[in-house]
This record gives sequence, C-alpha cells and structure tokens, in this order.
Amino acid sequence: AQKVTQAQTEISVVEKEDVTLDCVYETRDTTYYLFWYKQPPSGELVFLIRRNSFDEQNEISGRYSWNFQKSTSSFNFTITASQVVDSAVYFCALVTGNTDKLIFGTGTRLQVFP
Amino acid sequence: GAGVSQSPRYKVAKRGQDVALRCDPISGHVSLFWYQQALGQGPEFLTYFQNEAQLDKSGLPSDRFFAERPEGSVSTLKIQRTQQEDSAVYLCASSAQRGATYEQYFGPGTRLTVT
Repeated sequence: AQKVTQAQTEISVVEKEDVTLDCVYETRDTTYYLFWYKQPPSGELVFLIRRNSFDEQNEISGRYSWNFQKSTSSFNFTITASQVVDSAVYFCALVTGNTDKLIFGTGTRLQVFP
Repeated sequence: GAGVSQSPRYKVAKRGQDVALRCDPISGHVSLFWYQQALGQGPEFLTYFQNEAQLDKSGLPSDRFFAERPEGSVSTLKIQRTQQEDSAVYLCASSAQRGATYEQYFGPGTRLTVT
C-alpha cells in the first residue's frame, strides 16, 4: 500500500526564519513520483515540484529547496528566509508508476508572521 | 491562458437532494481528475478520465457518485441523494499528459455543504 505522512500539522515561524516541512512516504514500487503542492487560503493547489524515484538529486529553486533521500523514504521541503506570502497549507503527494491515483499527505499548515 | 475553472464555487444542498458539479479543464488537457477534500485533510482521489474514457473510478465512495466527461473536455460530478458525510470541497484537476505522474493543475474547488 502507498502512504504519505506529514507529521507536522502546523508550524509557525517569524519572517526570515528558515523552515523545513517533513514528508515520509511508503511504497513497495521501485518506480514512483513525489510532488509538493501549496494550497493558499484561496483553495487552489499550486504545483511546486515533481521528482521521480530514480533521481535523488536535491533541487533548489530560489528560496525553495528539496531533499530527497530514498534511504529514509523522505522528501523534505525547506523554505529559506520565509515570507508572509509563504503562509499556506503544503501537501506532499505520491503516485506509483502503475496507478493513476495521486496520494496526498494530510498537509502541514505554515504560518509566517511578520 | 485560462486555468481550470469549477462551478458553482459554493453549493448548499438539503439531505437527499441531487447535485451536479462542473469542471472546465485547461483546453487540450487529456487527463482530468476529481478529488474530495474534507476539512483539515488532504485531497482524496475519486476518479480519473483520459479524454472521454473513465479509466479509474475506484475512489468514488458509493454508487451515489457518478462522473462523466462525454466530449473529452468539460466534466460533471453528480452526487445523488446527498448525505451529510458528502460535505467537502470537491477539486478538479487536469494535466496535459496521460496519467497522474505529471504536474496537475487544480481548480478552486466547489465547497459542498449538505444540511
């Protein structure tokens, strides 16, 4: 069975702090894809990143970075120098190569205070 | 270009009523997904269309839920005889690629409240 766990329900930081959102996944498949989506208060999920199981290279995009470690089944997301506009719910998601179901975690609500 | 749109944005239904939720995907996107998101939870897969073909409906919670995409573009999710447990946000997403292994573009959702 596939599962995504986001143990942090809510995180609060002050602007300019760095923050890491954890994601742990479970699957027996060797081919799978991991995603992060952002859900601002407007409700529309916004795609942030996609990573396949054969590419463990970490990625940086501006203030965002992602650390994929197959050894610990984790795909963590770090925001550097957080801003108020980063306040949202962030979801980690998993799909295996032989299904059409994107499986989401329960999300982490990030609040960035000025 | 236009993103994914959904209508209505809010729907209040009395228990037992039928409702129809509409999704307009991004033009040309072959894949269309429906999700149900309960308060404080992540979205849960309901069904998947590739063009007009419904390839996976394993997430539909009961036979009261029915989805269609007759011409491979607009999709409608219908819920018959609504129950209180159907109260949730229903999200639609589309993708230019086949399957769920690529980026999906989400609409704003329809918030359904069953009283």
